[in-house]
Amino acid sequence: SQTIHQWPATLVQPVGSPLSLECTVEGTSNPNLYWYRQAAGRGLQLLFYSVGIGQISSEVPQNLSASRPQDRQFILSSKKLLLSDSGFYLCAWNRGPGELFFGEGSRLTVL
Amino acid sequence: AQTVTQSQPEMSVQEAETVTLSCTYDTSESDYYLFWYKQPPSRQMILVIRQEAYKQQNATENRFSVNFQKAAKSFSLKISDSQLGDAAMYFCASLGGSQGNLIFGKGTKLSVKP
Repeated sequence: SQTIHQWPATLVQPVGSPLSLECTVEGTSNPNLYWYRQAAGRGLQLLFYSVGIGQISSEVPQNLSASRPQDRQFILSSKKLLLSDSGFYLCAWNRGPGELFFGEGSRLTVL
Repeated sequence: AQTVTQSQPEMSVQEAETVTLSCTYDTSESDYYLFWYKQPPSRQMILVIRQEAYKQQNATENRFSVNFQKAAKSFSLKISDSQLGDAAMYFCASLGGSQGNLIFGKGTKLSVKP
């Protein structure tokens, strides 16, 4: 069956610390993968998407980065977190035209 | 650039009643898709319904249906026989670009009263 996993589910980090959020997909190959951020009271903002290993496209300039070291693995990183990085991060893969299948999300609080 | 606007930050409906959530969009694409996603308190986003712009017939999924007005660029969601489990954030979205990137509205929080 097709599943998508994100971890950690919850993370509290101090300003200036590094970040690594991981996402893995099972039951499909060569998926298009996405990282979205949902800030409080706002909609979803696309951060990165990837159409294959090592292929990353960034939608907004920021201090976050993404990597895709394996076909079904997508990682969101930061070297130094900012307060404004707090939010709910969702990984998704494209199951059909616009039909995104989302992970459970990772809630990041930067203090 | 594509935009999606949801003008109702919050809505409330009585259990078993019908409610309509509004959405307008703007796109330069000639062929596109529109979606409604649901985000319950568990926070995982779930696809509710999708509409292909070239289809004139409004999409339906059980108690969920859309009113797609292409000329007006309007895409509202109707929930019939509302249930307590329908309480959630609802996001309207349009498909933009060739990579399958969804553009989301800011969402409408739906409360269902028993």
